[in-house]
Amino acid sequence: RKEVEQDPGPFNVPEGATVAFNCTYSNSASQSFFWYRQDCRKEPKLLMSVYSSGNEDGRFTAQLNRASQYISLLIRDSKLSDSATYLCVVMGEYGNKLVFGAGTILRVKS
Amino acid sequence: NAGVTQTPKFQVLKTGQSMTLQCAQDMNHNSMYWYRQDPGMGLRLIYYSASEGTTDKGEVPNGYNVSRLNKREFSLRLESAAPSQTSVYFCASRGTAGWYGYTFGSGTRLTVV
Repeated sequence: RKEVEQDPGPFNVPEGATVAFNCTYSNSASQSFFWYRQDCRKEPKLLMSVYSSGNEDGRFTAQLNRASQYISLLIRDSKLSDSATYLCVVMGEYGNKLVFGAGTILRVKS
Repeated sequence: NAGVTQTPKFQVLKTGQSMTLQCAQDMNHNSMYWYRQDPGMGLRLIYYSASEGTTDKGEVPNGYNVSRLNKREFSLRLESAAPSQTSVYFCASRGTAGWYGYTFGSGTRLTVV
């Protein structure tokens, strides 16, 4: 079993739609959680950290459920510029390296 | 404001050739990492260096060696390239204070024929 699993998609949505991505992780001792965004042929960039209480950054909302070992990302009012691959990322229990999911592809269409 | 700089950006090697991928960061970060990214596999950790003078294996170290030359630089060497090492390689660095996000370089696209 992969340490971090994501639905690969692609998710094809119209502009203005709300879309949600899910992710599960296997190591219950994981300490920190993130969503990264990766544009085609570019490096990953941090989108947002994920906190236990849930957190919001503009149109983006991240949730963490430690009991179920589940992370989610909700994007409201999708824009064309949101088209990218979204990577679920988990920091290991010793806090020294990140483990990446394979990514979920989002395509926003006009 | 360079962040993490990787060279080269593109490389084609013949099977059996060797090469070194260079990575340098100017953010005074302690930890540096080498990942490879293959379609459908996500990023997989090859080697990392938690601080100057230390290196450790990651998930897929076979066929690679690393050198943490100083705090700024962390190089990845392929001694005898194989077609299975065709991939996109990313270097990243991380500070120790505050949050734990990584800063990535722009990647090296390596093809082994």
